[in-house]
Amino acid sequence: AQTVTQSQPEMSVQEAETVTLSCTYDTSESDYYLFWYKQPPSRQMILVIRQEAYKQQNATENRFSVNFQKAAKSFSLKISDSQLGDAAMYFCAYKISSGSARQLTFGSGTQLTVLP
Amino acid sequence: DAGVTQSPTHLIKTRGQHVTLRCSPISGHKSVSWYQQVLGQGPQFIFQYYEKEERGRGNFPDRFSARQFPNYSSELNVNALLLGDSALYLCASSLVGQGAGGPLDEQYFGPGTRLTVT
Repeated sequence: AQTVTQSQPEMSVQEAETVTLSCTYDTSESDYYLFWYKQPPSRQMILVIRQEAYKQQNATENRFSVNFQKAAKSFSLKISDSQLGDAAMYFCAYKISSGSARQLTFGSGTQLTVLP
Repeated sequence: DAGVTQSPTHLIKTRGQHVTLRCSPISGHKSVSWYQQVLGQGPQFIFQYYEKEERGRGNFPDRFSARQFPNYSSELNVNALLLGDSALYLCASSLVGQGAGGPLDEQYFGPGTRLTVT
């Protein structure tokens, strides 16, 4: 079974600074997707960034980028120039790219606080 | 375009009762998935439906059931409620449910239904 581990329950960052959230996963599959989702107090789960396992290049979306280390099964999220609106719970998630069910497997989350 | 909608927003039930949660996917999306998010944890997969057929089921007891209607909306039913069923129930829709992979089955989440069992 696939598992996703987020070892940092809470993180804080000063506004305009950079923060990195960690995620490791365990899978025997070679083809899969990894995601970072943001869940603000409004509860709406919002996709931040996606990485395809077959791509060596790290994904980037504006101030958000990932460091994907396939051999180490590590997938960290870097938030640059942190803004107050970045404060939320962040979830790392995994999804196999084959098979009949395409469910997401989530980690336990990291609560990010942005300090003004 | 409207996103995924869920109703009700909040719900309080008593142990042993039954509950029905509803989800309307984004227009054009044919797949709906349900997740349970207990306070302080990540969401856990309950069901996925695609074209009105069950495509996947998580490790949940038979008290949990779901269905998808011809208009692709979905209901999640929970019987004989337990205190441990208190959680945020999230619905996610995607364009397709299998086969294509990648962005075509990107899951878009609704705001959830907060269920409290007393």
